[in-house]
Amino acid sequence: GAVVSQHPSWVICKSGTSVKIECRSLDFQATTMFWYRQFPKQSLMLMATSNEGSKATYEQGVEKDKFLINHASLTLSTLTVTSAHPEDSSFYICSAKLGPEAFFGQGTRLTVV
Amino acid sequence: GQQVMQIPQYQHVQEGEDFTTYCNSSTTLSNIQWYKQRPGGHPVFLIQLVKSGEVKKQKRLTFQFGEAKKNSSLHITATQTTDVGTYFCAVGGAGNQFYFGTGTSLTVIP
Repeated sequence: GAVVSQHPSWVICKSGTSVKIECRSLDFQATTMFWYRQFPKQSLMLMATSNEGSKATYEQGVEKDKFLINHASLTLSTLTVTSAHPEDSSFYICSAKLGPEAFFGQGTRLTVV
Repeated sequence: GQQVMQIPQYQHVQEGEDFTTYCNSSTTLSNIQWYKQRPGGHPVFLIQLVKSGEVKKQKRLTFQFGEAKKNSSLHITATQTTDVGTYFCAVGGAGNQFYFGTGTSLTVIP
């Protein structure tokens, strides 16, 4: 199957700083990528849809100025958590579709201290 | 986004027992997908169902899509310890996005 690579796999940052997470489709082009957040023992919540060459589409309740998404190429989308706070600590995971099947990155565990 | 409920939330079974998780939607679905997420891992696509009343099998896994296309089930026969994980259904939104159900966490006791 297709491969989606996410980096970093884990990051610890200080409160108030920003963190960038990268999501790459390694062997296929993805005009659309999806960013999810997952809290412990909970489901994956869709945060936003990243569109290559245009603005991301955010789900209701997700602050676009806090979670900046850039999809500058057909194989790379980035999520920047700006001015991170402890409540932003979570597992962030990206996804891209190839046909009906979605492929996921390994996820990034963010801890804000 | 779409609200899709899964039951049960947790299930503990003895190895060799069967397991079923159900996914229910209040609206008619165009299709439904199933994913498995191992502890500490990322979701892995299992299958997509499209047709009303569709039944698909993958070895010990049987997937069903309801006649009204509002519910779906995943049944595992004779569970093994390798089946441990959380099983999610996922449904499409208005665009190309997809939303996950609440998930069923399966524990298999050896």
